[in-house]
Formats: sequence, structure tokens, C-alpha cells
Amino acid sequence: KQEVTQIPAALSVPEGENLVLNCSFTDSAIYNLQWFRQDPGKGLTSLLLIQSSQREQTSGRLNASLDKSSGRSTLYIAASQPGDSATYLCAVRTGNQFYFGTGTSLTVIP
Amino acid sequence: GAVVSQHPSRVICKSGTSVKIECRSLDFQATTMFWYRQFPKQSLMLMATSNEGSKATYEQGVEKDKFLINHASLTLSTLTVTSAHPEDSSFYICSAIGTSGGELFFGEGSRLTVL
Repeated sequence: KQEVTQIPAALSVPEGENLVLNCSFTDSAIYNLQWFRQDPGKGLTSLLLIQSSQREQTSGRLNASLDKSSGRSTLYIAASQPGDSATYLCAVRTGNQFYFGTGTSLTVIP
Repeated sequence: GAVVSQHPSRVICKSGTSVKIECRSLDFQATTMFWYRQFPKQSLMLMATSNEGSKATYEQGVEKDKFLINHASLTLSTLTVTSAHPEDSSFYICSAIGTSGGELFFGEGSRLTVL
């Protein structure tokens, strides 16, 4: 069974710093990998989707990479802002099943 | 991106009553929708997979008679919590697979409080 792990569980950085969130998975036979953001009491917002044939995707200050062979993905956030404070989750898709990490809670300090 | 709308966002009910939560895909057709439950500071727990025109597939440990799922059309799935009890109080979220690239989109979530 696919297992998805996110490290660290929590991260606190000063505003303006660049940061990296990590996601690892045990089975490399994935269809795609997706990064989400969740604000307290809200649903999940899709940030980036990486297909299994892709190595990275970029959107604004966000860049996600995928290394299927090593079972890893990273989400890079450039020039962090207080508004980036949220929980970030990665999800790996295998067939029609999605496996979620436990998330990284990010706090950006003004 | 595609939009999934979930309603109501908050509901408070008395113990023993039933509550229905709706999940709609607004600008795409979703043959498959998912229902999750989320406890405070925890990740999502998949409850069931809802397929249009067929019975939902429930995860182990989820009571299908307690949590009724109906996926009557390609844009609507509903979750009914029957005879709700305080332990059913939770945050329920739905999601649907978009038609382009297999991206997963989530509703805004529904906070259920059973008194």
C-alpha cells in the first residue's frame, strides 16, 4: 500500500525566506502528484499538479519537483509571505486512489 | 481551475436527526467523487468513493447505513448522516476528479456539529 510522508510536520520562517517542503512516497508507480494548501476550517486548494512523466511544475512563487525513482517531491516557495501561512499537503494518485500526506503546517512570521 | 461547491458550510443539528451535505461540480462532469472526514489537526480520512449511477464504495470501518451517499448525476453527490450523534461531529469534505489531467478538486468543506 502506498504510504506518503511529509517532513517537517511544522515549519516557522521569517517573511521573505525561501523554503522547501518535502513529500516522500513508497510506491513509484504513480499517475500524478498534487500539492494542496489548506487554511483552517476550509477545504483544500490545488496548487500544482505534476504528471508522472513530468519533472516539475511552476506557478508564480511556487515550484514543485518530482523524482519518481526516489519517491520524492518538493514544493519550493520563494520569498515567503505571511499569507502563505497554511497547511500544505501532497497527494499521490495511483489509479483512482489518492494517498495523502499528513501535511506540513507553515507559519510565516511578519 | 475547476470548481467544486459544497453546501452547507456549517450545520448544527440535534442528536437523532439526519443531515444532508451536497457536493456539486460546477463546471465539469464528475463521474467519481470522494467523501472525506477530517479530525482536528489531522489529515483526510477517506470515507467512500461515489460513482455516478452506482452504489458508493465505502472504506473499511465506515458504516454505509449511517453515511448514505447518493451520486444521482454527473454533477451532484450527496452525503446524508443519518440519526446523527455527537460523535459524528466533524469536518466533512468532498472532492472530484477534473476532466483535464486528472487533477483533484475539493469542496469548501462542511462543519457538522451534533448537539
